[in-house]
Amino acid sequence: EAGVVQSPRYKIIEKKQPVAFWCNPISGHNTLYWYRQNLGQGPELLIRYENEEAVDDSQLPKDRFSAERLKGVDSTLKIQPAELGDSAVYLCASSALRALGNGYTFGSGTRLTVV
Amino acid sequence: RKEVEQDPGPFNVPEGATVAFNCTYSNSASQSFFWYRQDCRKEPKLLMSVYSSGNEDGRFTAQLNRASQYISLLIRDSKLSDSATYLCVVPGPTFGRGTSLIVHP
Repeated sequence: EAGVVQSPRYKIIEKKQPVAFWCNPISGHNTLYWYRQNLGQGPELLIRYENEEAVDDSQLPKDRFSAERLKGVDSTLKIQPAELGDSAVYLCASSALRALGNGYTFGSGTRLTVV
Repeated sequence: RKEVEQDPGPFNVPEGATVAFNCTYSNSASQSFFWYRQDCRKEPKLLMSVYSSGNEDGRFTAQLNRASQYISLLIRDSKLSDSATYLCVVPGPTFGRGTSLIVHP
């Protein structure tokens, strides 16, 4: 079974440029998460989807970040314009509804460097 | 109080040692808890779920104490390959900052 697929793996952009990350969750997983992880820190939840509905976006900086999951499967996270402080690893995860005992499965992440 | 607090370590232990990590949480309604392992420059991977009755998987034991609102992970007979960062997870899902474990010969 394919895991959570993310692309690109690495991205280097200049500040003020836009950037987008893509995620394909595990087939059948209704819930999709976007996390940001800075060095030496745990992943920080940005947004959680249940099917196509964003049920928790309280930590998403909405002035520059946006996300969508139009058909309840793939998702895209966008930053426009990027700032130096956005450099981090962006992780996508998915789970069956409410995860229960099976936890959350992560993709390999996108390492973003803003210069 | 933060939703979840975790001692970042590092814990530096010799092979064969027993080491324990704790993680405290603030949301008393929390239901599903997990421990994840993260290797350097890799994504977090599920290590084990945590139940009130305890959960044991080989050398690893996870425990949940609802009264004191903490979860624990015990690693017995540490191996070099156990060197990693261990992240606790409470519903949100919210991750702790991770505890670094270094096992040396």
